[in-house]
Amino acid sequence: DQQVKQNSPSLSVQEGRISILNCDYTNSMFDYFLWYKKYPAEGPTFLISISSIKDKNEDGRFTVFLNKSAKHLSLHIVPSQPGDSAVYFCASLSKADTGKLIFGQGTTLQVKP
Amino acid sequence: DAGVIQSPRHEVTEMGQEVTLRCKPISGHNSLFWYRQTMMRGLELLIYFNNNVPIDDSGMPEDRFSAKMPNASFSTLKIQPSEPRDSAVYFCASSYQEFDNEQFFGPGTRLTVL
Repeated sequence: DQQVKQNSPSLSVQEGRISILNCDYTNSMFDYFLWYKKYPAEGPTFLISISSIKDKNEDGRFTVFLNKSAKHLSLHIVPSQPGDSAVYFCASLSKADTGKLIFGQGTTLQVKP
Repeated sequence: DAGVIQSPRHEVTEMGQEVTLRCKPISGHNSLFWYRQTMMRGLELLIYFNNNVPIDDSGMPEDRFSAKMPNASFSTLKIQPSEPRDSAVYFCASSYQEFDNEQFFGPGTRLTVL
């Protein structure tokens, strides 16, 4: 049972445009939602997170939006840069539950120059 | 800080052999996590430790898998006997506290079982 789903395995955008990566979840107990970025041959690195009590968190070019009623979150990258090309993982955490991070399958983003 | 260190980076072995993966967490971090990444299942948590004690091993696929953390600076994940379906990238991650939002991942060990 996949509690965190990233339905788009890949996304390609032009440099300077907006990249929107989507993530859906099923567990209403999740308290925090995170995005990790992964380059080939490296481990994932933390990018940005959002608490379930918020609906938006912004950090530079990266903004995460949370729609709790739809159990949906998205990561917006504006403007996209070629260096953003990587695999992006959505992850969710329930501190009241086990505290384990549950990851989605990942979306491969390609930003074309 | 060197970050989370994993060894080996690549391991190729034959079915039936024992495999030991090693991890050194970031100094001062109290929680350590072992993940496996496959094409089919993505990134899945196998086991995690807090203060060297295993807290949740429900993700360990079967008895062939075992993990230890004898001290705060070292952990092993062992597969015995290994099978081709164990082929994957295994990541170790650490965090300062058990419920920290941010985990720091090592570079991973790519395991191939022939």
